[in-house]
Amino acid sequence: DGGITQSPKYLFRKEGQNVTLSCEQNLNHDAMYWYRQDPGQGLRLIYYSQIVNDFQKGDIAEGYSVSREKKESFPLTVTSAQKNPTAFYLCASSIVSSYNEQFFGPGTRLTVL
Amino acid sequence: AQTVTQSQPEMSVQEAETVTLSCTYDTSESDYYLFWYKQPPSRQMILVIRQEAYKQQNATENRFSVNFQKAAKSFSLKISDSQLGDAAMYFCAYRSGSGYAGNNRKLIWGLGTSLAVNP
Repeated sequence: DGGITQSPKYLFRKEGQNVTLSCEQNLNHDAMYWYRQDPGQGLRLIYYSQIVNDFQKGDIAEGYSVSREKKESFPLTVTSAQKNPTAFYLCASSIVSSYNEQFFGPGTRLTVL
Repeated sequence: AQTVTQSQPEMSVQEAETVTLSCTYDTSESDYYLFWYKQPPSRQMILVIRQEAYKQQNATENRFSVNFQKAAKSFSLKISDSQLGDAAMYFCAYRSGSGYAGNNRKLIWGLGTSLAVNP
């Protein structure tokens, strides 16, 4: 089945540690996105990538980093520089088209202890 | 800059009844796309329906339809014959139609409406 997988579903991290969230898609989509979702704030774009080896900052990129070495994969690293990393993280992908219809993974809940 | 507003943080509907969720947006563009996404308790975001601004006909997907009023910059979602499985957060989103690269590709999201369906 085609889709987007994110792992793990729940992630706990100690303050000061970096952590990497996985996102894989087998939809053959060129574009991939990372969003952060907090209660009452909707979705905010962290980073996006439209092609392998290229990515752009979204609205809240500070404290995060990404890589796009393969078309299928777009991992997100939450660094210790991120002041308030506890949140729900959603990965999405889309074809490069006028619609930009985005398909989402199941998300990862990150909790900093 | 474009903005999306969902003025109803919470709504409720009786099973089998019809409910309408509101969404307004602000833009100076004439070419754009609008989307409604559903986020059930599992938290996976699912596309419900989309509308191209250049199309006058309102989009319909089974029990879901939209009322797109371009001049009023309004994009409401109507759910007919509501079912228990429709209970979820509903998000309205906007995307610029100009260009294929850069920040024009990003979706601009409303804050969501939480819909409860009462049996």
